[in-house]
Formats: sequence, structure tokens, C-alpha cells
Amino acid sequence: GAVVSQHPSRVICKSGTSVKIECRSLDFQATTMFWYRQFPKQSLMLMATSNEGSKATYEQGVEKDKFLINHASLTLSTLTVTSAHPEDSSFYICSARLPAQGTQYFGPGTRLLVL
Amino acid sequence: AQTVTQSQPEMSVQEAETVTLSCTYDTSESDYYLFWYKQPPSRQMILVIRQEAYKQQNATENRFSVNFQKAAKSFSLKISDSQLGDAAMYFCAYRSLRGGNTGKLIFGQGTTLQVKP
Repeated sequence: GAVVSQHPSRVICKSGTSVKIECRSLDFQATTMFWYRQFPKQSLMLMATSNEGSKATYEQGVEKDKFLINHASLTLSTLTVTSAHPEDSSFYICSARLPAQGTQYFGPGTRLLVL
Repeated sequence: AQTVTQSQPEMSVQEAETVTLSCTYDTSESDYYLFWYKQPPSRQMILVIRQEAYKQQNATENRFSVNFQKAAKSFSLKISDSQLGDAAMYFCAYRSLRGGNTGKLIFGQGTTLQVKP
């Protein structure tokens, strides 16, 4: 199956700082990547759809100035949590769509803790 | 708007037995994809099985098979010969073919499966 990596796997930061999370499709090119947030024992909540070479599409209620998404290449998308606060602490997951198949493959996730 | 419902928050099965997880969805579309994903304690989402709506034949992947009932909008997952490693949260997901490559997955609430030795 297709492989998606995510880095870092875990990050602890102070309130007010910014954190960048990288998502890479390792063995395929993905024109579309997705960013999710997941709270414990709950389903995945889509935050935004990231399209290579264009602006991301954010879901309703997600602050685009708070969660900056950049999809600079066909294998890399980044999510930057700006001026992080404790309520931003969560598990963030990215996924990439395999174009020929239409199936989404997921990264291992990033656990963010804001102190 | 499409919705996906998993009505069983928790299920348990004895090792080596068979268990079925239910999923229903609501859509007015005729072409779409359906998926089952597994999320073990590591929280890595793993694709279990995929079904194209235009295919009448139920998808199978080794011990995993689906019962796809298009008219009833039902997509259940059967796990045969359950193993301890099958313990995880299972998510059913729907994807419309509209919107091309940007079409998003719609997830159910998830079912936590416990496998008893």
C-alpha cells in the first residue's frame, strides 16, 4: 500500500509559539492531501483539504489564519498551528489521496501538547 | 448531505470467532466509494477494505469481507477468525465521486472492537 509519513510524531510547545507539522507521500504523488483533528475515542474531524499549488479549502469553523496549510509540492503538505494555545492540544492526522485509485492513505499522526 | 452511521459504539468477540460491524449511510448519489478503516491503539489509520458502489460483488481481503446492500444503504464488515491484533477502533467511510479528486471522506462515529483471548 501507499505510504504517508508525518513529522513530528509528538511535540510539546509553550503557549503562544507556532508549530509546523509535515506530511509526505513517500511513494506516490498526491495532488490532494487532507488534515484532520481527532479527540480521544472520537471520529476524525476534517479541518481542511490541501491542493498542490493552490489555496487550501477549510471546513466551516476552522480558522484559516490559525491553521496555515501549504501544499508546495506533490509530495509535501504542511500544517502550521500559529500562536498555539492549550485548547489546540490534540492529535492531528494527515492523509494523501492516491490519484489513480481514489483511496486515502493516512500518516501516523502528530500528538500536540501546548503548555 | 451524506451521512454515515455506525450504531455500535463497542463490540466484543472471542478470539477465532466471527464478528460483524454495521454501517449505514445516506446519500442520493449512485456512484461512490465506501471504506472500512482500522485504528489500533497506535492511532495509525489503516485501510481494511474498499468497495466501489457500481460493483455488485462484495469486496474481500483475506479474513475481512463486506456485505454491501446498495438499496438498503448498508455496508457491514465481517471479520472471520478474529485475532488479538484485530482489536481496534473501526471506522466506516463514504466518499462521493463528485468533486473529483477533492471529494472528502465522511466518517462514521466508529466502533471499538475488543477481542477476548
